[in-house]
Amino acid sequence: LAKTTQPISMDSYEGQEVNITCSHNNIATNDYITWYQQFPSQGPRFIIQGYKTKVTNEVASLFIPADRKSSTLSLPRVSLSDTAVYYCLVGDDDNTDKLIFGTGTRLQVFP
Amino acid sequence: EAGVTQFPSHSVIEKGQTVTLRCDPISGHDNLYWYRRVMGKEIKFLLHFVKESKQDESGMPNNRFLAERTGGTYSTLKVQPAELEDSGVYFCASSQDWSGGFNTDTQYFGPGTRLTVL
Repeated sequence: LAKTTQPISMDSYEGQEVNITCSHNNIATNDYITWYQQFPSQGPRFIIQGYKTKVTNEVASLFIPADRKSSTLSLPRVSLSDTAVYYCLVGDDDNTDKLIFGTGTRLQVFP
Repeated sequence: EAGVTQFPSHSVIEKGQTVTLRCDPISGHDNLYWYRRVMGKEIKFLLHFVKESKQDESGMPNNRFLAERTGGTYSTLKVQPAELEDSGVYFCASSQDWSGGFNTDTQYFGPGTRLTVL
């Protein structure tokens, strides 16, 4: 079973900041939090990964509170090309590297 | 640097036939994973190779599925005989180092092979 919960869908407009929050109440001590983006007819694409506090790269920021039971992916100034499904993933209980995908959040960006 | 490639991009076969999917990981990546998404469902893990060895095959649905990674480079996933419920998109991913289960190494996905079983 997926260990994360995120909204099924979100709508936004070009130029806005989008924040997608993911709940992972049972995250293990060793687990990192990873976000992937997927466009139709493509494989998932890594966006960002973090363990605690804040991580920022050229694409997004990831905010993780101290208890690590949730995380928020922040996309600054989205464009139409950011329309995609965004997956929040955490590690698996049995210490393997396999990714467990949930339903993801379908982000639709409007002009 | 070339990404993960998969062949074919699409395959349409009849029930009972055999299909072989191929994945070429990023050069130098020890880890190779297979995932699939069947219609309307979430992406599910199938198995994980570390070099040529199967590290985890807990997600393989049944013995009609056979994965190999001879020489620790490319991998094949054979479905024999194919059934209707095998239809879906099969993704391959690779990552560089075996992290011992701490899920830190980025997995890079290929574009997937869309398999349709009629």
